[in-house]
Amino acid sequence: SQQGEEDPQALSIQEGENATMNCSYKTSINNLQWYRQNSGRGLVHLILIRSNEREKHSGRLRVTLDTSKKSSSLLITASRAADTASYFCATLGFTGGGNKLTFGTGTQLKVEL
Amino acid sequence: GAGVSQSPRYKVAKRGQDVALRCDPISGHVSLFWYQQALGQGPEFLTYFQNEAQLDKSGLPSDRFFAERPEGSVSTLKIQRTQQEDSAVYLCASSFLGSGVAADTQYFGPGTRLTVL
Repeated sequence: SQQGEEDPQALSIQEGENATMNCSYKTSINNLQWYRQNSGRGLVHLILIRSNEREKHSGRLRVTLDTSKKSSSLLITASRAADTASYFCATLGFTGGGNKLTFGTGTQLKVEL
Repeated sequence: GAGVSQSPRYKVAKRGQDVALRCDPISGHVSLFWYQQALGQGPEFLTYFQNEAQLDKSGLPSDRFFAERPEGSVSTLKIQRTQQEDSAVYLCASSFLGSGVAADTQYFGPGTRLTVL
């Protein structure tokens, strides 16, 4: 079953604008990861934030984590057409499932020229 | 090879046929995962191997699904007597380290799109 919800389900912006997508989850986590999936390609790992971290940056990406609200957000600044993809958050839990990731439902981002 | 590869990329099966999906992980990666991704959804965990040992198969939807990794490298996901609800993209991922290393990144293959008619 999916861990939680992402919103919006779909987002369309102009190139150069910022894109923000949110993720909510249900259980306690070890870390939360964001992945990108382009049409016809596999998932690409973008960034990982640990449960004891509140914010993390990587290039044009900024991720926040609020464990009290069980939510995370991904901000992509100065978006480009190449950022068009589906974005998924995934959580790694404390259960005995090893490194099993539980994914959200995804946000479809379209960046228009 | 630089990444995880999967074959075939596309598979069309008639209902009731058996299918076998192959995953070649990154060389030297200890952990291997299979996920199922239905249209418009996020991937869902199926099973996990650490070397040749299948440590978690809690996500396999029925006993028609079987996975193996006999030599601790290549893995095969087999689906017997396929049903229409099995139509999905099947993703394989590998990571360098074994379970217990929470920050170990999983690298995904391109997936096999299975369509059951």
